[in-house]
Amino acid sequence: GAVVSQHPSRVICKSGTSVKIECRSLDFQATTMFWYRQFPKQSLMLMATSNEGSKATYEQGVEKDKFLINHASLTLSTLTVTSAHPEDSSFYICSAPAVEGRRAFFGQGTRLTVV
Amino acid sequence: GQQLNQSPQSMFIQEGEDVSMNCTSSSIFNTWLWYKQDPGEGPVLLIALYKAGELTSNGRLTAQFGITRKDSFLNISASIPSDVGIYFCAGQMSGGSYIPTFGRGTSLIVHP
Repeated sequence: GAVVSQHPSRVICKSGTSVKIECRSLDFQATTMFWYRQFPKQSLMLMATSNEGSKATYEQGVEKDKFLINHASLTLSTLTVTSAHPEDSSFYICSAPAVEGRRAFFGQGTRLTVV
Repeated sequence: GQQLNQSPQSMFIQEGEDVSMNCTSSSIFNTWLWYKQDPGEGPVLLIALYKAGELTSNGRLTAQFGITRKDSFLNISASIPSDVGIYFCAGQMSGGSYIPTFGRGTSLIVHP
């Protein structure tokens, strides 16, 4: 199947700093990518839809100034957590639809810990 | 956002037993997807279903797309320890941005 690569897999940062997470589609182009947040023992909650060449679409309750999304090319989307705080600690996962959008493939996830 | 009703929430079984889990929704979906997530990893697609009534197998896994298009089930036969993980169903509508709606997950523990 299609491969989505997410980097880094783990990151620890100090409170107040910013962290960038990259999501790449390795063997296909993705005009759309999705960013999810997952708390322990919970399901995936969609944060935003990243659109190549245009602004991201954020879900209700997600601060766009807090979670900056840039979809610079057909194979790369980035999520930047700005001025991170301990409550931002979570597992962040990106996905991209392939096969004409009928299946979503996920990255490996990024465990963010803000101390 | 919208969530699917996935059950059971967790299962504790002996190695060799069969497993069944299901998802129901008040909405109709055109696609049902089943994923497995290992700890600290992203979900991995197991089976994709595109047609009402469709029954698809992937090794020891079998999934079906309900006739009403509002439900789906996943069966695992002869479970083994590496089946441990969280299984998520996801429903998806076509014609839009293909954003899947996820169930809450079924946590499976297999005792050797």
